[in-house]
Amino acid sequence: DIQMTQSPSSLSASVGDRVTITCRASQSISSYLNWYQQKPGKAPKLLIYAASSLQSGVPSRFSGSGSGTDFTLTISSLQPEDFATYYCQQSYSTLYGFGQGTKLEIK
Amino acid sequence: QVQLQESGPGLVKPSQTLSLTCTVSGGSISSGGYYWSWIRQHPGKGLEWIGYIYYSGSTYYNPSLKSRVTISVDTSKNQFSLKLSSVTAADTAVYYCARDANVDTAMVFDYWGQGTLVTVSS
Repeated sequence: DIQMTQSPSSLSASVGDRVTITCRASQSISSYLNWYQQKPGKAPKLLIYAASSLQSGVPSRFSGSGSGTDFTLTISSLQPEDFATYYCQQSYSTLYGFGQGTKLEIK
Repeated sequence: QVQLQESGPGLVKPSQTLSLTCTVSGGSISSGGYYWSWIRQHPGKGLEWIGYIYYSGSTYYNPSLKSRVTISVDTSKNQFSLKLSSVTAADTAVYYCARDANVDTAMVFDYWGQGTLVTVSS
C-alpha cells in the first residue's frame, strides 16, 4: 500500500495569511495526487488534481505543486470560507489512499 | 449536473449486513467512462476508500475490506449498492458514494453524495 502523510495535522492562521500544507507519499506517485477540501458535515470537494491542475470553479488562490513523493497545497491569501480540513489523495495505485487530513483553523 | 444520493438504514446491529444504495441523477451509469466508488469516514477521522464498480459490473475492493464487501450495480435504476457483512462498531462511519472520473489522465472523485451516517449498535 502507498501511505500518504500530511503535515501539519492542524494549523492556525489568520484571514489574509499564506498557508502551505504538505503531503508525502511512501513511494513515487508521479503527479497522481489530488487535494480535497472538506467542511463540517459536508462531503469533500475536489480542489486540485494531477498535483497542480485547478478544478473548474475553484478560486485561483489555491495552487498545488510537486511530483514524485512530495507535494504541497498553497492558499495564497486565506479567506473566511477556507477554514476547513484538507486531504490529499493518491490515484497512482488503484488502491486509492488519502492522507490523514490537515485541519485549518482560525487564529 | 450530476448528483448522487445515498440511502439505507442508519442503524445496523453487530454481525449483520450493512446495505446502502446510491442513486445517480443527471447522468447515466451505463454510459460508461466512470467508476462508481464507496468511501467512508469514521467519526472525526479521515477518509477510507472501500471500492468501486464499473457499469459492466467489474469491481475492485480495498484489500482491507475485501472479504466483507460487495458492490453491485443496477443500470436500469441508475443505482449502485454497497453491502458490508459481519459489521462491528468499527464500521460505524459516514458512508459516501462518489463518481470516479478520469480528468486529464488523473483519476479523481469529482462528484460526491452528501453522505449517510451508519451506526453499528445493538
